[in-house]
Parts: sequence; C-alpha cells; structure tokens
Amino acid sequence: GIQVEQSPPDLILQEGANSTLRCNFSDSVNNLQWFHQNPWGQLINLFYIPSGTKQNGRLSATTVATERYSLLYISSSQTTDSGVYFCAVINNAGNMLTFGGGTRLMVKP
Amino acid sequence: DVKVTQSSRYLVKRTGEKVFLECVQDMDHENMFWYRQDPGLGLRLIYFSYDVKMKEKGDIPEGYSVSREKKERFSLILESASTNQTSMYLCASTGTVGQETQYFGPGTRLLVL
Repeated sequence: GIQVEQSPPDLILQEGANSTLRCNFSDSVNNLQWFHQNPWGQLINLFYIPSGTKQNGRLSATTVATERYSLLYISSSQTTDSGVYFCAVINNAGNMLTFGGGTRLMVKP
Repeated sequence: DVKVTQSSRYLVKRTGEKVFLECVQDMDHENMFWYRQDPGLGLRLIYFSYDVKMKEKGDIPEGYSVSREKKERFSLILESASTNQTSMYLCASTGTVGQETQYFGPGTRLLVL
C-alpha cells in the first residue's frame, strides 16, 4: 500500500514563529488532505489539496503531486495551533485514506 | 454543520469482554470509517462501509468486526477485547471518497485491562 511519511515528528515553536511541515508519499494519489487534531482529540480538516497551493488565513498548503510531496506552512504561530498535524492521501481507487504518522506541534507563549 | 458522534468518550473494559463502539452521522453520508490511533503510528483504518450492510476491511481488521444496519450508524465490535486493543478509536464519514473531506467524531479512548 501507499506509504505516507511526515516530518518532523515533533516541533516546538515560540509564538509568532513560522514553520513548514512536510508530507511525502510513495505513489501517485487521487487526493491529499491536511488535518489538525486539537489537544482534545478532535480532527479538523484544514485543506483538501490534490495539487497547487491553497491559503486559509495564516495557513497555506502546497502539493506537488508529480514529486509526491505536500507542504503545510504555518505563519505567525499561536498557542492555539498546538496539536498534531496529519496528512492523509487517497489512493487511486478512491476508496481509502492513508494517514502519515503526524507532526506534533507545541507553540509556547 | 456535519455532526459525527461517538457513543462514549472514555471506556474501560476487561480482557475478554465484548465491546461495542457506536458512531452516528447526520449528513446522510454513504461512506463511514473506523480508525484507531496510536502514538507514532498515525491513524490506521480498521474497516469502512460504503453502504448499508456493506463493509470492507482496512489495514488492520484482525480482532474487529463491524455492523452497518442503518445508513447513519456504523458500529465497531471487539468480540473479545485484548490489552493490545487499548487505543483511541475514531469514526469518520464522507459523501464521496476522494471528492469530499472526511468528517471525524470526537474519538473514544478505550482502555482494556
């Protein structure tokens, strides 16, 4: 099956700093999503991004499908950005999501 | 807003007990999923269902079964709970896989003693 790797596994930032999270995947995929899991466990969709770049406030994501990676940018980080960020890819059959191991982010005040 | 609810936030069970985890969604989604989340392993798919009474194995179905008798409800069953099934269980639903986002429930933290 598809392998999804995220880096770094852990990240600690000072409030106001910028960061880039990376997601590599091993095969061509139908689509890709970024999720944020808050400290209470709730997973929230951030981006649905098969290719190109999307922006939503302080967050943006870029997927380069031909090179099999996606990047999530967090600018001017806030303590509420803390949690785990997952990328997940949808296989070409279009019926399953495969998740990466996540990046655990802590933003210190 | 889409709402996905799970029957319990926390459960403590003993080895060998039968455990039912229920998930309900209110958006008439065809597709529903059960994942387990363990530290360092991300989310792993246990089973999914694309229609009532239909089910497909995910990556780690061993030790689990599922039931989808109604479109809005998808149950995960541990026939005989074991300590290695201690985990966080997350349910999700979506309309069209690959074209819409998956919506997740709040999760159930299961501890098997």
